[in-house]
Amino acid sequence: DAMVIQNPRYQVTQFGKPVTLSCSQTLNHNVMYWYQQKSSQAPKLLFHYYDKDFNNEADTPDNFQSRRPNTSFCFLDIRSPGLGDAAMYLCATSGGYTEAFFGQGTRLTVV
Amino acid sequence: AQKITQTQPGMFVQEKEAVTLDCTYDTSDPSYGLFWYKQPSSGEMIFLIYQGSYDQQNATEGRYSLNFQKARKSANLVISASQLGDSAMYFCAMREVSNRDDKIIFGKGTRLHILP
Repeated sequence: DAMVIQNPRYQVTQFGKPVTLSCSQTLNHNVMYWYQQKSSQAPKLLFHYYDKDFNNEADTPDNFQSRRPNTSFCFLDIRSPGLGDAAMYLCATSGGYTEAFFGQGTRLTVV
Repeated sequence: AQKITQTQPGMFVQEKEAVTLDCTYDTSDPSYGLFWYKQPSSGEMIFLIYQGSYDQQNATEGRYSLNFQKARKSANLVISASQLGDSAMYFCAMREVSNRDDKIIFGKGTRLHILP
């Protein structure tokens, strides 16, 4: 059974049109992460939440925002997607020192 | 400064041979964790193995083992008896935990090709 679920798996959006990616977890983990991964590159941490405490990486563009309304759900909002934002977006959760699980990712295409 | 270094962009290994993927890290925190993940072409990130900084023994999970050398700040992944299905991208990652902050950052990865 999937424990970290990302929807949708594939998202096509128009240049400049706001888009929201979602992540849910059934693990009750207190930490949730959003990563951006471009082709043949390492995942790049955008944000993470420790419970409701939000942590923004210094180099995350202002165009990217996140919401975590409750323990189970986390959203990534891209206010005005550009062609450079096309990537795989990975959500992960962590509830203990030895655990960090990823969803299957959302592949975003900007046209 | 880069905190996780994987110096092998790509590796080719004959099937059934053992393979070692290198990873070095840098942190001043005495408490940290090290992960290895496998990422096949489908894109999902598959957890392989974890090593805590205070763990006395090297972690093992089936065919995967982690050669943890704390003084050298290295955490190499060893895959025994490689299989064709092991062909994928492999990422080393480090976790740093402080007061109500918990980050996991990744190295650039090594692409492993298993040859029949």
